[in-house]
Amino acid sequence: DAGVIQSPRHEVTEMGQEVTLRCKPISGHNSLFWYRQTMMRGLELLIYFNNNVPIDDSGMPEDRFSAKMPNASFSTLKIQPSEPRDSAVYFCASSPKGRSTDTQYFGPGTRLTVL
Amino acid sequence: DQQVKQNSPSLSVQEGRISILNCDYTNSMFDYFLWYKKYPAEGPTFLISISSIKDKNEDGRFTVFLNKSAKHLSLHIVPSQPGDSAVYFCAARATNFGNEKLTFGTGTRLTIIP
Repeated sequence: DAGVIQSPRHEVTEMGQEVTLRCKPISGHNSLFWYRQTMMRGLELLIYFNNNVPIDDSGMPEDRFSAKMPNASFSTLKIQPSEPRDSAVYFCASSPKGRSTDTQYFGPGTRLTVL
Repeated sequence: DQQVKQNSPSLSVQEGRISILNCDYTNSMFDYFLWYKKYPAEGPTFLISISSIKDKNEDGRFTVFLNKSAKHLSLHIVPSQPGDSAVYFCAARATNFGNEKLTFGTGTRLTIIP
């Protein structure tokens, strides 16, 4: 059974460019999460969806970041315009039933470098 | 404001000995705690969890201890094996809000020395 799929695995871009990260959750999972990992702050939740509806976006850093989930099998995280401080590893995760004790299953991550 | 803190960025332990990883939290609403393990170039994977109604949960070589009064939890790995070398993240959640949000620490890199 396929796990969470993220693309691209690596992205190098120049400051000011638009970046789009993609995620396909595990089939049948109801919740989807976007995290950012940095050395200083560890893993931070940016936003999460339940049944394709954004539930908590309090971690989204600023208006340059936006996330969508148009259907149960696809989500995007967009940064426009990108800045060097956005360089990090971005993880997508999904969980089965939307219960607060559910385990979250993580994808392999996208390493973003903004020059 | 880091609500979940892992104050040791790294830890080295001899193979076969006990590894103890520590985690502190500040938010008294947290009532469910998890440990995730992460290998390089992979996403974190769930290891073990504990609810605040318990003070210990064991799964094979892994045991998590929770001290609510001290707002402290620890992960014990006995005996430590080379495959345990990874970054370990502590995470916490406030389940009574029905929110799935997890708050993670910054991680501890564990190295098992053969």
